[in-house]
Amino acid sequence: DQQVKQNSPSLSVQEGRISILNCDYTNSMFDYFLWYKKYPAEGPTFLISISSIKDKNEDGRFTVFLNKSAKHLSLHIVPSQPGDSAVYFCAASARTGNQFYFGTGTSLTVIP
Amino acid sequence: GAVVSQHPSRVICKSGTSVKIECRSLDFQATTMFWYRQFPKQSLMLMATSNEGSKATYEQGVEKDKFLINHASLTLSTLTVTSAHPEDSSFYICSASGNHYGYTFGSGTRLTVV
Repeated sequence: DQQVKQNSPSLSVQEGRISILNCDYTNSMFDYFLWYKKYPAEGPTFLISISSIKDKNEDGRFTVFLNKSAKHLSLHIVPSQPGDSAVYFCAASARTGNQFYFGTGTSLTVIP
Repeated sequence: GAVVSQHPSRVICKSGTSVKIECRSLDFQATTMFWYRQFPKQSLMLMATSNEGSKATYEQGVEKDKFLINHASLTLSTLTVTSAHPEDSSFYICSASGNHYGYTFGSGTRLTVV
C-alpha cells in the first residue's frame, strides 16, 4: 500500500522555467514532509522540509507547498537549472513515529 | 552538518557469499538507523529499523536471517547480506537519526550478485 505517491515518473523543463513536482499522500496522520534529491548511484540528499503547521516553506530557488485538506504537496524550483536534473523523492512521516514513507520519485530533466 | 559515511559504495560478489555494508555517523550519535533498499524505478523501501544496543525491527517480508543488522554503537551500524543471490542485487541505503529531528542518508551501496 503506497501511502505516498508521485504520479509523474518524469518531467522535462526548459532551463530558466519553473519545475513543479507533485506528491500526494493518504495517511492523515502525516505531519512532516521532506523532499530529497537523488543523483544516479548516490544516496538521497535532503532538499527542503515542511511541517503541517505551515503551508509554505521557501529556501532559495526551492519552495514547498502543502495542502493538508487535499493531502497534497508540491515542490517548485524557480528558475530551473541543468544541475537540478535528478530524481526527486517526497517523503512523509508522523511525528509519533520514526519511519518515513517515500514516494516512487520523479525524474526531472532540465534542458539547457 | 550531519554526515553519514557508507561503505562500500559498490560491491560485486559471487552468489552464496556474504557482504557487509557499514554506515558510520561522523559527527553525531545515531540513536536510530534505518536501512532501505531501492530496486530500479522503484521507491526506497524500508527494510529495517535499528536502535543502538537493541535488536532491529524488520519490515514485513524482509528476512531477518538473511539481512543481519548490527547497531552496537551510536556511530556504527552494519547490514550483512548473507548467502547473497542475484535477486538481492539492489541499491542499499542507510539513514541515521540522532538527537535532531532529521534524517541523514549515507551515499548508498550498489550490490551486484553474480
